[in-house]
Amino acid sequence: DIQMTQSLASLSASLEEIVTITCQASQDIGNWLAWYQQKPGKSPQLLIHSATSLADGIPSRFSGSRSGTQYSLKISRLQVEDTGIYYCLQRYSNPYTFGAGTKLELK
Amino acid sequence: EVQLQQSGAELGKPGTSVKLSCKVSGYNIRSTYMHWVNQRPGKGLEWIGRIDPANGNTIYAEKFKSKATLTADTSSNTAYMQLSQLKSDDTAIYFCAIAGYFDFWGPGTMVTVSS
Repeated sequence: DIQMTQSLASLSASLEEIVTITCQASQDIGNWLAWYQQKPGKSPQLLIHSATSLADGIPSRFSGSRSGTQYSLKISRLQVEDTGIYYCLQRYSNPYTFGAGTKLELK
Repeated sequence: EVQLQQSGAELGKPGTSVKLSCKVSGYNIRSTYMHWVNQRPGKGLEWIGRIDPANGNTIYAEKFKSKATLTADTSSNTAYMQLSQLKSDDTAIYFCAIAGYFDFWGPGTMVTVSS
């Protein structure tokens, strides 16, 4: 199975700060990666698909990038509503696998 | 508008089975895979498997192969997941999700296993 490693379990940042969350794949997955935000008691919401494409209705302050097997989600100017847990997902091969999640809080 | 409506919370005894449903509106499930994901209390997301409603083909994560059974009824645009031989470790929220990158999610069904 492909392992997706989110090395930071939690992250604290200030309003308007630039935030980067990373996810490392255990092997090449191309651009078959997505990012999700989950708020307490809610289902996950798709933010980024195909590693770099913004999902419909998602603010442009969110962006995704890839360098080899490392993937990054960047929030350009952190807002209050951006707190939550962020997960990456690889859908390159079965079984699909999620990262463990990074909890983003406001400082 | 695409909506996924999941069945209500379940309380199951150890050793029994439960069957969860996910009814989709605004999207024909024949044109997508239906995925199921779980989330144990306070934990992360785990992919269980997926079904192609157009032909019934299924793929499961290894650990769920004898736990989950996925089916779909295209006439009612509804997918189902049966969980068998329930154990306390199966206590979790179970989500259904559709479209290529899980673009749309249901609200989840809480399954609690307790005697």
